[in-house]
Parts: sequence; structure tokens; C-alpha cells
Amino acid sequence: GQSLEQPSEVTAVEGAIVQINCTYQTSGFYGLSWYQQHDGGAPTFLSYNALDGLEETGRFSSFLSRSDSYGYLLLQELQMKDSASYFCAVNQAGTALIFGKGTTLSVSS
Amino acid sequence: DAGVIQSPRHEVTEMGQEVTLRCKPISGHDYLFWYRQTMMRGLELLIYFNNNVPIDDSGMPEDRFSAKMPNASFSTLKIQPSEPRDSAVYFCASRTSGNTDTQYFGPGTRLTVL
Repeated sequence: GQSLEQPSEVTAVEGAIVQINCTYQTSGFYGLSWYQQHDGGAPTFLSYNALDGLEETGRFSSFLSRSDSYGYLLLQELQMKDSASYFCAVNQAGTALIFGKGTTLSVSS
Repeated sequence: DAGVIQSPRHEVTEMGQEVTLRCKPISGHDYLFWYRQTMMRGLELLIYFNNNVPIDDSGMPEDRFSAKMPNASFSTLKIQPSEPRDSAVYFCASRTSGNTDTQYFGPGTRLTVL
């Protein structure tokens, strides 16, 4: 089966840097994705790592270590609008995404 | 592009009633996914289709749940009879076969079963 572990909550202040970790156990691993979901909204795609290393997209970066079954999402220069839930997800055998329980990020001024 | 469309956006029903949720995927997307989101269980995959064919329904909680995709532009998720524990937000998502990591989610249907 599949399992993903990520912290349930993280708090930070505007302008800070926060890292959300994700560890996973799965068979047929193809890659690790990150999605953002604002309260009352739908999950939206942020980033994807298929290979080891760091992927940067603006203020957000995502890292993957396949040997450690571990990844993280790094959010820099935090803004109030970054307050949301962040989900890591594994690509199951190239078909469906299986999501973690999500990390609620609260950014304060 | 209109994105993934779901209807209704909100549904309140009484226990024992039949509920039908609807989804229109993005045109040209050949994968369609149904998810359920609750505080306790997070975002759970219920079933997914490829080219209108159900591929994996192992996440469907029980026989009261059924899903169909009669054509490339329409899918339904039916609950019959509904129970209070079915209360959740149900999301539909779609993607192309060439993009395995990026799923596009609809706005969701918030279902409340009294």
C-alpha cells in the first residue's frame, strides 16, 4: 500500500522561509507532487519531482531524495496569501495521485 | 478553457436519499478522477477512468457508491442510499495521458447528509 507523512500544521511570519517535509512509502513510485489548497477551494498543482534534486518555481522550491523516500516543499518570502493547506502526493504507477493528509500553513504579519 | 466543471456545488439531502454528483472534465483530457475530502481522512481517491473506462475503483467505500462515464465529457458519482457519514467535499479531477503529475481539480461538491 501507500502512505505519506507530513506535519499537520506549520506557522510562520511574513517574509520568512518555511519547509514542509514529506516522507512516503509506496510501490511503483514515479514522482512526488505538491498541491496547494486554499480554504474552500480546490487543490491546485505547485510542483513535481521525478528525479533527485531541487526544482525551483519562483518563491517555491521542491526537493526529492528517492533513496530516502523523502521530499520537501520550500516556501520563501512568505506572504499572507500563502496561508493554505499543502499536500504532497505520490504518482502511483504513472496513473493516479495518492495524497498525504496535508499541512496547514498559517502565515501571520 | 473552462476548467473542470462540477455540479451541484452544494447538496443537502436526508439520509436514505439518492445523490448524484456530476463532472465535466477539461476537453481533451483522457483521465478522470473522483476524490472525497474529509477532515479525518484527507483527500481519498475513490475511482478513476481512462478513456471512459473505469480502471481502479478500489477506493469506492462500499456498494452504495457507483460511478459512470458514458462519454468523454461527462461523469457521475452516485450514492444510494446516502448516509450522514458520506458528508464530505467530492472533487473531480482530470488530466491528459501525457502529463502524469498534473491533475486539474474542479471546484468540488460539498455534500451534507442529514
